[in-house]
Amino acid sequence: QQPVQSPQAVILREGEDAVINCSSSKALYSVHWYRQKHGEAPVFLMILLKGGEQKGHDKISASFNEKKQQSSLYLTASQLSYSGTYFCGTADGGATNKLIFGTGTLLAVQP
Amino acid sequence: NAGVTQTPKFQVLKTGQSMTLQCAQDMNHEYMSWYRQDPGMGLRLIHYSVGAGITDQGEVPNGYNVSRSTTEDFPLRLLSAAPSQTSVYFCASKRTGGTDTQYFGPGTRLTVL
Repeated sequence: QQPVQSPQAVILREGEDAVINCSSSKALYSVHWYRQKHGEAPVFLMILLKGGEQKGHDKISASFNEKKQQSSLYLTASQLSYSGTYFCGTADGGATNKLIFGTGTLLAVQP
Repeated sequence: NAGVTQTPKFQVLKTGQSMTLQCAQDMNHEYMSWYRQDPGMGLRLIHYSVGAGITDQGEVPNGYNVSRSTTEDFPLRLLSAAPSQTSVYFCASKRTGGTDTQYFGPGTRLTVL
């Protein structure tokens, strides 16, 4: 079952902050975040493991609450280059650790 | 390293035709998978494989077949194409551990008329 992402779309001005949420109805082992530019393949951003660990990558960070089966992606002081569609992928820690992706959040950063 | 490669980049089929989308990776990854991407639907898992000779169904497997005879290759077959299979198809690979990055190929844009 696909994780649910919110919001579906968000428009920002450069320098503004945004939060993208990802929730699952299943117990999770890890959450993977990707960004996809129009016409391109998804590109890896970061992985979070259960344990509530928060990770960061430049001005993009994320948290994972395995009890609530939720993850959030935080974009701080957004830049034009942050525009794209963001996907969360969830793995349940089974033998295959297959990734199931959400429906995506379209982020548009305007000058 | 070429990473994950897919051919063709674009394909137009008529309803009922069959074809194979090719996918190869040179990272010695055990796990390979196929996704389809449709507007508003995100990336949906079609089939996946954890090693040569082992495949399993994902979320939307109907109308597609796969096989994995080598670690490097994971072709996706459409036996009788339907307009509902018009989509962008991505192949991906990773190690089987849950902490490993999954790498995507550049995608194949398929149109079924």
